[in-house]
Amino acid sequence: AQSVTQLDSHVSVSEGTPVLLRCNYSSSYSPSLFWYVQHPNKGLQLLLKYTSAATLVKGINGFEAEFKKSETSFHLTKPSAHMSDAAEYFCVVSDPGKDTGNQFYFGTGTSLTVIP
Amino acid sequence: GAGVSQSPRYKVAKRGQDVALRCDPISGHVSLFWYQQALGQGPEFLTYFQNEAQLDKSGLPSDRFFAERPEGSVSTLKIQRTQQEDSAVYLCASSVRDRGEYSNQPQHFGDGTRLSIL
Repeated sequence: AQSVTQLDSHVSVSEGTPVLLRCNYSSSYSPSLFWYVQHPNKGLQLLLKYTSAATLVKGINGFEAEFKKSETSFHLTKPSAHMSDAAEYFCVVSDPGKDTGNQFYFGTGTSLTVIP
Repeated sequence: GAGVSQSPRYKVAKRGQDVALRCDPISGHVSLFWYQQALGQGPEFLTYFQNEAQLDKSGLPSDRFFAERPEGSVSTLKIQRTQQEDSAVYLCASSVRDRGEYSNQPQHFGDGTRLSIL
């Protein structure tokens, strides 16, 4: 079965400092993993995805994530936080089954606060 | 627009009323998903369509929930005899499908419908 654990419900960083949002997954298959961001009252926007190509994945807005199979982790990082990064972040593992399409399993989310 | 469109954005209903939520996916996207997002939680899967076929409805919480996609494009999620616990944001997502049987394409989400049951 697929599942995702986001280790921090809230993260607070100062503007200009690095961001680390942690995610561990459980999957019976070779997983596909995604990070999405959700701003208030908005839908989810794709930041990046891992689908068994390069283990270091670069996404939009300067974010990147590294897939580490031995640690079953897919942590999201950014070298320098910007005020506009304040939002809710979701780590997602997918189940690419024939009859389930590409069913997503979401973590509970990490709320990122950026302090000016 | 080019994105997934959901309507209405906000819906307030009295307990016991029926509601219908609409999703207009990205043109040409074969796969369509509905999710329920409770306050402070991640989205949870409700149901999945491939074209007009509803292949998975295992996440629907009760038989009061019903979804359809009759022509393989627009989808409607209907909730009958609404209860307070139905209050949530309902998200729709669509994706293309790989040529093979299995797909790991990203899903594209709409802004959701916030449903409040009084």
